[in-house]
Amino acid sequence: KQEVTQIPAALSVPEGENLVLNCSFTDSAIYNLQWFRQDPGKGLTSLLLIQSSQREQTSGRLNASLDKSSGRSTLYIAASQPGDSATYLCAVNRGTSYDKVIFGPGTSLSVIP
Amino acid sequence: DADVTQTPRNRITKTGKRIMLECSQTKGHDRMYWYRQDPGLGLRLIYYSFDVKDINKGEISDGYSVSRQAQAKFSLSLESAIPNQTALYFCATMASSGRVRGTDTQYFGPGTRLTVL
Repeated sequence: KQEVTQIPAALSVPEGENLVLNCSFTDSAIYNLQWFRQDPGKGLTSLLLIQSSQREQTSGRLNASLDKSSGRSTLYIAASQPGDSATYLCAVNRGTSYDKVIFGPGTSLSVIP
Repeated sequence: DADVTQTPRNRITKTGKRIMLECSQTKGHDRMYWYRQDPGLGLRLIYYSFDVKDINKGEISDGYSVSRQAQAKFSLSLESAIPNQTALYFCATMASSGRVRGTDTQYFGPGTRLTVL
């Protein structure tokens, strides 16, 4: 059974710092992996999606990597800003129907001005 | 206006009451999903629907039922609410065609916070 963990559960950093969020999964047979941002009262927003055949994806200050063999993904945020404060979730998907998506518990990030 | 809306946004109810949570979308997607989120846990799938005539149970469907009234509407019901159904509930949608393989994503509503006393 696929299990997804995220470390750390919470993180507080000063503005401008680069940071890394970690996601680990137990079953390497994945279709894709996504990183979401969750803001209170606004639901989840997809940040980056990495296909199973890819090693990384980049969008602006965000870079996500995927290493299926070790069951790990990282989300790198460069030059953090207070507006980056949110909970970040990773989700591991086994197939095209999205009926077997396993979400991690999330990392709560606070960026201090 | 938001593409995926959920009503109500907050609800407090008592044990044994019947509750309906509603989800509407304007994205024209045929796939819709209901999840619940508990503190410290990831989202877990309750039910999903690929079209009006296709309803499927997810990981934790016991105690819940759904209705797909139209392509744009997907409702979640708690027939007799109990305290351990207190959670944040999310609706999500996704297109099933015209997507580049592996680049599809779900779009989430803002959530409904349900408290069962």
